[in-house]
Amino acid sequence: AQTVTQSQPEMSVQEAETVTLSCTYDTSENNYYLFWYKQPPSRQMILVIRQEAYKQQNATENRFSVNFQKAAKSFSLKISDSQLGDTAMYFCAFGSAGTASKLTFGTGTRLQVTL
Amino acid sequence: GAVVSQHPSRVICKSGTSVKIECRSLDFQATTMFWYRQFPKQSLMLMATSNEGSKATYEQGVEKDKFLINHASLTLSTLTVTSAHPEDSSFYICSVGTDYGYTFGSGTRLTVV
Repeated sequence: AQTVTQSQPEMSVQEAETVTLSCTYDTSENNYYLFWYKQPPSRQMILVIRQEAYKQQNATENRFSVNFQKAAKSFSLKISDSQLGDTAMYFCAFGSAGTASKLTFGTGTRLQVTL
Repeated sequence: GAVVSQHPSRVICKSGTSVKIECRSLDFQATTMFWYRQFPKQSLMLMATSNEGSKATYEQGVEKDKFLINHASLTLSTLTVTSAHPEDSSFYICSVGTDYGYTFGSGTRLTVV
């Protein structure tokens, strides 16, 4: 079974600064996907970024980028130029290949962006 | 990605009654949908995988007779909490997997009084 670990329960960053959220996972699979989801106070789950395990290039989406280290089973999220609207819970998730595969979530990191 | 609609967003029911939560995939034919439960300040825990036209697959520890799942069409899955008790109060979220990723419904906050 897969496991996902987020070791930072809470993080704080000042507006316009950069913050990195950590995530490690454990799997014996070779083909899989990794995701970062954001859950604001509304509790709507929003996809931030995804990474295919077979791709060596790190995924980027505007101010969000990942550092994917497959051998180390590490998948960290970097948020640049933090904005107040980035305040939310961030969940790292693992999914096996295929849309019928379930997601395994980490415990989450609560990010607070301050003025 | 898919657009997923979940209803109701909030529901309050009395102990012993049943509550049905609907999850609709509006623009994507979903043979599989997922149901999660989330306690306050905790992560999402998968309850079951809903399979169109067949029985759902429940995670270990989830009571099949309490949490009835029906996936009768490619666009609709329902979760019925039967004989609800206060400990069933929680936030329930459905999800659909697509080629790009997983899209989630807006969730249902269930309160059993």
